[in-house]
Amino acid sequence: DTEVTQTPKHLVMGMTNKKSLKCEQHMGHRAMYWYKQKAKKPPELMFVYSYEKLSINESVPSRFSPECPNSSLLNLHLHALQPEDSALYLCASSQEGGLIGGYTFGSGTRLTVV
Amino acid sequence: GNSVTQMEGPVTLSEEAFLTINCTYTATGYPSLFWYVQYPGEGLQLLLKATKADDKGSNKGFEATYRKETTSFHLEKGSVQVSDSAVYFCALSDTDTGFQKLVFGTGTRLLVSP
Repeated sequence: DTEVTQTPKHLVMGMTNKKSLKCEQHMGHRAMYWYKQKAKKPPELMFVYSYEKLSINESVPSRFSPECPNSSLLNLHLHALQPEDSALYLCASSQEGGLIGGYTFGSGTRLTVV
Repeated sequence: GNSVTQMEGPVTLSEEAFLTINCTYTATGYPSLFWYVQYPGEGLQLLLKATKADDKGSNKGFEATYRKETTSFHLEKGSVQVSDSAVYFCALSDTDTGFQKLVFGTGTRLLVSP
């Protein structure tokens, strides 16, 4: 299995809703990432988990809450989002030496906040 | 900090034309360099990589050579196809903070017409 699977593919939520994005990989990768991509822009790093511990938080607002229940799963909990949070949310994973092999990205969740 | 600069797009070509997308970088140390491709509505796919100076990455007819003297990693293909239409991102690994992190360029959209 050489894929990163993200669910759901599309999500529409109101500003008072609570929802979660899910990401799963079975490649034995020990680092997992959340990126946010606005239209016609490059991906921007949000969080990095290394060996199931949060190692980077790029000053992301607290309305985004990551969780790594085990080495294969990564969640992003969403609460009280704003319309400007609408974007494509990408999950990625890498081996410990991700600098060499690069990242494997999922196909993303397209989020619309109304 | 480390950064990547890509040529502005879109790049518009006819099928079977030669492709060059320029990428230059600024980095301390010896980063790894990557090209990712994003097809419409999808996540990013690793296209090719190079981990040290003078390395040539290649995949699906695309090539790029890690040039330390010119701090460049230009993407080339001898004969493009309509199916190559996508956005191409140049990226480098950033370990300034001791963590694994990819720094992306702004992306270059390629449009290939029949």
